Amino acid sequence: GNSVTQMEGPVTLSEEAFLTINCTYTATGYPSLFWYVQYPGEGLQLLLKATKADDKGSNKGFEATYRKETTSFHLEKGSVQVSDSAVYFCALSEDSNYQLIWGAGTKLIIKP
Amino acid sequence: NAGVTQTPKFRVLKTGQSMTLLCAQDMNHEYMYWYRQDPGMGLRLIHYSVGEGTTAKGEVPDGYNVSRLKKQNFLLGLESAAPSQTSVYFCASTRTGGSEQYFGPGTRLTVT
Repeated sequence: GNSVTQMEGPVTLSEEAFLTINCTYTATGYPSLFWYVQYPGEGLQLLLKATKADDKGSNKGFEATYRKETTSFHLEKGSVQVSDSAVYFCALSEDSNYQLIWGAGTKLIIKP
Repeated sequence: NAGVTQTPKFRVLKTGQSMTLLCAQDMNHEYMYWYRQDPGMGLRLIHYSVGEGTTAKGEVPDGYNVSRLKKQNFLLGLESAAPSQTSVYFCASTRTGGSEQYFGPGTRLTVT
């Protein structure tokens, strides 16, 4: 079946460091891929998405490229801020009911 | 525009008690979902609905029931609460043809 694997956290970085959070997936077809972010005490919100191979999603300085050959969708940011501290979820959708398959989430801690 | 709202925000139940969680959305979305979030496990789909009057089981439906009598509301019921149902519950919705799910702020439920 379909699945999403994310790197385990927590990931702790200093402010202005480069961020990579790895995400790989298994799917039978051609899924859409997503990164969601959950700030403390809040619900999840969409950070970025990509719907086909080689698409790059971007938002708030974050980027992720849909790599079909490596079945990956790694999240990157060039210079993180304390306000980026949150839990990040990778997910895929390949279902006519728009169901999402979720990774376990990666907690990101940014220290000033 | 309130988006997706959930009530209550917090609840403590004793084992065997029942309760209903309410999710409401004002975006005229067809699809609605109930998830539970447990530490280290990401989000797991409990039940979902593809339209008014329809419901379907997700990954972890046991111990829960749902109803979608009105398009804008999706209710999650626990008939006889168990400590294993201690979790944070999220509701989400999406439109037909859409891919982004919009989330409510969550309900933190503790069963003692």
